[in-house]
Amino acid sequence: QQNVQQSPESLIVPEGARTSLNCTFSDSASQYFWWYRQHSGKAPKALMSIFSNGEKEEGRFTIHLNKASLHFSLHIRDSQPSDSALYLCALRTGGYKVVFGSGTRLLVSP
Amino acid sequence: DMKVTQMPRYLIKRMGENVLLECGQDMSHETMYWYRQDPGLGLQLIYISYDVDSNSEGDIPKGYRVSRKKREHFSLILDSAKTNQTSVYFCASSLSREQYFGPGTRLTVL
Repeated sequence: QQNVQQSPESLIVPEGARTSLNCTFSDSASQYFWWYRQHSGKAPKALMSIFSNGEKEEGRFTIHLNKASLHFSLHIRDSQPSDSALYLCALRTGGYKVVFGSGTRLLVSP
Repeated sequence: DMKVTQMPRYLIKRMGENVLLECGQDMSHETMYWYRQDPGLGLQLIYISYDVDSNSEGDIPKGYRVSRKKREHFSLILDSAKTNQTSVYFCASSLSREQYFGPGTRLTVL
């Protein structure tokens, strides 16, 4: 049974700060990794994905995957109030079952 | 634009009543999912459907059943609802990797 843990549970940062969100998982055979973002009262929406070890950057967002250390992270540069949301990491080991972490609630204060 | 719909958006039922939650997608995706989301628990998988009449239990199937008679439509049924089934329910569909979520149904069981 895949175990996915996110840290911290919640985070408050000032506007313009760099933010780091962490996700650890238990099965190194996991193949596909995503970060989803969910604004309050809305549906989760895929933010970024990565399917092999390494780093991927899109605008202010960077994700990093290290399967050997069972660690997956999301970094936000120049955080904006609009980034305030629940961030969920998700991964898929085999088949179509996707396991989600419990989320990190981010608040960016103006 | 890819779209997943859910009906109803809000529902209040009494304990012991039957509940039907409906989900539709217009993308001809084969795989569809039902999740529930509770504070601090992230998204918990209830059922996966791989195509019409091809369904599989997720992590928390007890008290739920599903029906998929058309590829674009996936229903979640609660026979004799319980108060601990009060939650927000999300449907999602997937073509290969990324999941697309519906807006959610907030169910309250009194």
